[in-house]
Amino acid sequence: AQSVTQLDSQVPVFEEAPVELRCNYSSSVSVYLFWYVQYPNQGLQLLLKYLSGSTLVESINGFEAEFNKSQTSFHLRKPSVHISDTAEYFCAVSERSSNYKLTFGKGTLLTVNP
Amino acid sequence: GAGVSQSPRYKVTKRGQDVALRCDPISGHVSLYWYRQALGQGPEFLTYFNYEAQQDKSGLPNDRFSAERPEGSISTLTIQRTEQRDSAMYRCASSLLRVGSQFNEQFFGPGTRLTVL
Repeated sequence: AQSVTQLDSQVPVFEEAPVELRCNYSSSVSVYLFWYVQYPNQGLQLLLKYLSGSTLVESINGFEAEFNKSQTSFHLRKPSVHISDTAEYFCAVSERSSNYKLTFGKGTLLTVNP
Repeated sequence: GAGVSQSPRYKVTKRGQDVALRCDPISGHVSLYWYRQALGQGPEFLTYFNYEAQQDKSGLPNDRFSAERPEGSISTLTIQRTEQRDSAMYRCASSLLRVGSQFNEQFFGPGTRLTVL
């Protein structure tokens, strides 16, 4: 069985500052990794994913995450955040053999202040 | 509709009552998933369908929980004899089923907030 740890439950930052949301996972088998975002009063949306290939993956709105197998991490970063990035961010993992079953972390609430 | 819809959005019930939560997936999505999210936690997998067949129900916590999808479209998650610990957000997701694909993106609905008094 796999598990996901998001160490920071809340991350407050100022607009235009860089941010890193940390995610570590544990699994005995090969996995796929994801970041989902939930904006206020909306459902979860896929932000970015790592399936294979390049370990650095990017989203269309400037976020990136890097898969680090040796550290079993998949941290999410953005060099300059906007007010509109305020949301809850969930890291998730699935086993390659049963890729329909997502295991989520507890989430990190990112609050961007002016 | 354009996205996954769930009803009701909010449900308050008394302990011991049965509740039925409905999920209407995106048109054409063959796969449907149910998750439960307790306060302060991430979503937790409950069960999964391809068409009308329940493929995996390993996440259902006990036999008070059941799900069906009789015509391969709308799904109902039923909780019998509700208990206070069942209070949570229940989320539904749907996806295409592309055989051989590494990953079929799950699109989530807004959820049903269940409160058991």
